[in-house]
Amino acid sequence: DTGVSQNPRHKITKRGQNVTFRCDPISEHNRLYWYRQTLGQGPEFLTYFQNEAQLEKSRLLSDRFSAERPKGSFSTLEIQRTEQGDSAMYLCASSLELGPQHFGDGTRLSIL
Amino acid sequence: ILNVEQSPQSLHVQEGDSTNFTCSFPSSNFYALHWYRWETAKSPEALFVMTLNGDEKKKGRISATLNTKEGYSYLYIKGSQPEDSATYLCAFWPLPGGTSYGKLTFGQGTILTVHP
Repeated sequence: DTGVSQNPRHKITKRGQNVTFRCDPISEHNRLYWYRQTLGQGPEFLTYFQNEAQLEKSRLLSDRFSAERPKGSFSTLEIQRTEQGDSAMYLCASSLELGPQHFGDGTRLSIL
Repeated sequence: ILNVEQSPQSLHVQEGDSTNFTCSFPSSNFYALHWYRWETAKSPEALFVMTLNGDEKKKGRISATLNTKEGYSYLYIKGSQPEDSATYLCAFWPLPGGTSYGKLTFGQGTILTVHP
């Protein structure tokens, strides 16, 4: 059963460094979503793709964040010049059209 | 900004108890409501996608109802078991055409702990 795969599972880095996360969605899913989750909160929408097109980006996402899905398959989320406030769980999900979303296990980012 | 609220924030019940919790969402521009279960150290798992007012869905001991006119959904667990312990999330999906179309807005979740 090939679900949504995220790498790495954990990332610890110093403030100011750049980090990149990868998400491999379920192969037949055309939509891919990125969320951020902090303690005590539900997942917070960051951005989503339909195939390779990035259709929406949250206003909460600063210019330090960028996401790509170059061939409409896997996606990367990059955070430049990380800050303490970026520490969170970053979740990726995929879906077929507007169906239920299938989540990966997430990447936990810790900024020292 | 869409407001999706869940209550209670946390709930402790004994094995065998039945329980329910609430998700409230905007009653206008409704398209769909999702329920997810998120167990510790695992990824969120979809339980239900609900689209019609009055809908009732069931999966084993878990069921959900939907009232789109008043903007709420209930999740029920009958005869809770320790393995039901998880965070239960609801998420609202608005109609196409608005600025929020295309993305789910999640509630903060209800943390359920079932004690043996």
